[in-house]
Amino acid sequence: NAGVTQTPKFQVLKTGQSMTLQCAQDMNHEYMSWYRQDPGMGLRLIHYSVGAGITDQGEVPNGYNVSRSTTEDFPLRLLSAAPSQTSVYFCASTRTGANSPLHFGNGTRLTVT
Amino acid sequence: DAKTTQPTSMDCAEGRAANLPCNHSTISGNEYVYWYRQIHSQGPQYIIHGLKNNETNEMASLIITEDRKSSTLILPHATLRDTAVYYCIAYLYNTDKLIFGTGTRLQVFP
Repeated sequence: NAGVTQTPKFQVLKTGQSMTLQCAQDMNHEYMSWYRQDPGMGLRLIHYSVGAGITDQGEVPNGYNVSRSTTEDFPLRLLSAAPSQTSVYFCASTRTGANSPLHFGNGTRLTVT
Repeated sequence: DAKTTQPTSMDCAEGRAANLPCNHSTISGNEYVYWYRQIHSQGPQYIIHGLKNNETNEMASLIITEDRKSSTLILPHATLRDTAVYYCIAYLYNTDKLIFGTGTRLQVFP
């Protein structure tokens, strides 16, 4: 049971490049979300999804796109990377309709130069 | 989801109990209180959660006041490995925005 898997672990981009951060979970969780964490700061919610085909914005959605075509996968897309998007990105998942905790991935460390 | 407030940092001697407070004065009747911790830059780790009653597991105890406006996470015998940032959040059924605050940075010293 792998839990929440994020790839890649590290990524360096140049300003203006695009990329997709991958997140997959094998626990059949309906709820998935993306957070970013800047140095010395707490977690800020980017986007979240309560099920396949349903996504919604979090606290800091600008510059990021998401889609949820399957229950297992919730990719995060940066269409035109900016230095302000340098951060550590965490994906999380949990069941809905019951009190259950979030399961987090190990993060993707992104640097935009 | 209710907003939570926590102290920015706390210290605790190794072997002593660490008591981490959290204020959630706007919590609604059906919102759970969850605690997570983050060690270095790893993904946050679930610790414990509760609704009304006090809870205990192998990691910690959670004390929720009768009016549910605040709670305390207790690590009964803190070790150096408990040095981390501890987050308290309140939410309902995991179907809404799960907002983390800035948490409490706990430093356990020898």
